Amino acid sequence: DVKVTQSSRYLVKRTGEKVFLECVQDMDHENMFWYRQDPGLGLRLIYFSYDVKMKEKGDIPEGYSVSREKKERFSLILESASTNQTSMYLCASSFHAGGLTTGTDTQYFGPGTRLTVL
Amino acid sequence: EDQVTQSPEALRLQEGESSSLNCSYTVSGLRGLFWYRQDPGKGPEFLFTLYSAGEEKEKERLKATLTKKESFLHITAPKPEDSATYLCAALYGGSQGNLIFGKGTKLSVKP
Repeated sequence: DVKVTQSSRYLVKRTGEKVFLECVQDMDHENMFWYRQDPGLGLRLIYFSYDVKMKEKGDIPEGYSVSREKKERFSLILESASTNQTSMYLCASSFHAGGLTTGTDTQYFGPGTRLTVL
Repeated sequence: EDQVTQSPEALRLQEGESSSLNCSYTVSGLRGLFWYRQDPGKGPEFLFTLYSAGEEKEKERLKATLTKKESFLHITAPKPEDSATYLCAALYGGSQGNLIFGKGTKLSVKP
């Protein structure tokens, strides 16, 4: 079974703090993704990575950065947390979206981190 | 504009009352249509992937179907434990592709 784990289930931080959210997958997946999920807005892509040390901006990258030093680990960084970054953060991974083998593009999600910024 | 629309937003069923959830998509070059189940406070759990019109997949009381414009998730004789939000997502475009999610249908099944 694919397993995606996230460092915290719940996190409370203060405005202006630097926040690190970590995600680890154990299936040797090439692709990793960070989303945020808000009521009425659905899932929105923040950043993604197709390889180690590689990153691409998603739909809402402002206020965030990412790091992928190892294939299995993808970190989301809030440089200076703000109250509008209070949200559910979801990490996902997939084997390879461009693969010819069906099923390799399925994204598997972690349990999520509920972040509250006060 | 590429988009995925799910309907209804919420659905309340009695236990045993079969129904269907709809996912309509307008994207260029669909490569795959995904269904997920999400319980409150948890991450989405993968259910099915459909790749071509006419394809069907089943798992217990759930059956997913795909046409050229929409996908349906049929729930047969649902039980209270089927209560969850069901998300669909469309993968489209070239290279690694783009994945766009619908906003989900919240299903409640009453005993």
